[in-house]
Amino acid sequence: QSALTQPASVSGSPGQSIAISCSGTSSDVGGYNYVSWYQQYPGKAPKVMIYDVSNRPSGVSSRFSGSKSGNTASLTISGLQAEDEADYYCSSLTSRSTYVFGTGTKVTVL
Amino acid sequence: QVQLQESGPGLVKPSQTLSLTCTVSGDSISSGTYYWTWIRQPAGKGLEWIGRTHSSGGSSYNPSLRSRVTILLDTSKNQFSLDVSSVTAADTAVYYCAREPFSSSPFDPWGQGILVTVSS
Repeated sequence: QSALTQPASVSGSPGQSIAISCSGTSSDVGGYNYVSWYQQYPGKAPKVMIYDVSNRPSGVSSRFSGSKSGNTASLTISGLQAEDEADYYCSSLTSRSTYVFGTGTKVTVL
Repeated sequence: QVQLQESGPGLVKPSQTLSLTCTVSGDSISSGTYYWTWIRQPAGKGLEWIGRTHSSGGSSYNPSLRSRVTILLDTSKNQFSLDVSSVTAADTAVYYCAREPFSSSPFDPWGQGILVTVSS
């Protein structure tokens, strides 16, 4: 199974909004609402930020939001803060009852 | 609060079997409401889903690893395990265990991860 496609890097200034895309196929992203987003700091385990396309776990800032259109999911971070600088990965259930992760995006706060 | 902790050897020789254990506290792996999952990440690279298992006995694996991977539950110890056979340097990675709800998507929580190096 091929990894979902994410931009390698996205940057923004504090206070701005950025969006990270996650492109797949009708056999994964487009076929299921089981898309999640994870934030990972260097040397740390990933942390879920969004699940089931647009649901936010308790404790996660409302600045993080998720959406999906067709075979592409998106994570939007509004009011960008220095602490948002990290790697972000999407994941999706597939038609084989397996999961696939995205290629990962490094977010830089300028 | 649910916690997961990986354990096992940090160094494995090529062609041997990599064996890791994930100890779960704060939840019962036999409850039937979660999948128990392994994920890995080579240094400087992205995440790779390895596979998952459930107390019903159902398991699924990454097609690229299926022939070499086994994930099992040990309900008596509230642990689940990962075996990867015939390892090569390409299997060197940080290995994470995680929990996934039966009818939802997030891997949460995750263990802290354990670095396994394949080298002679």
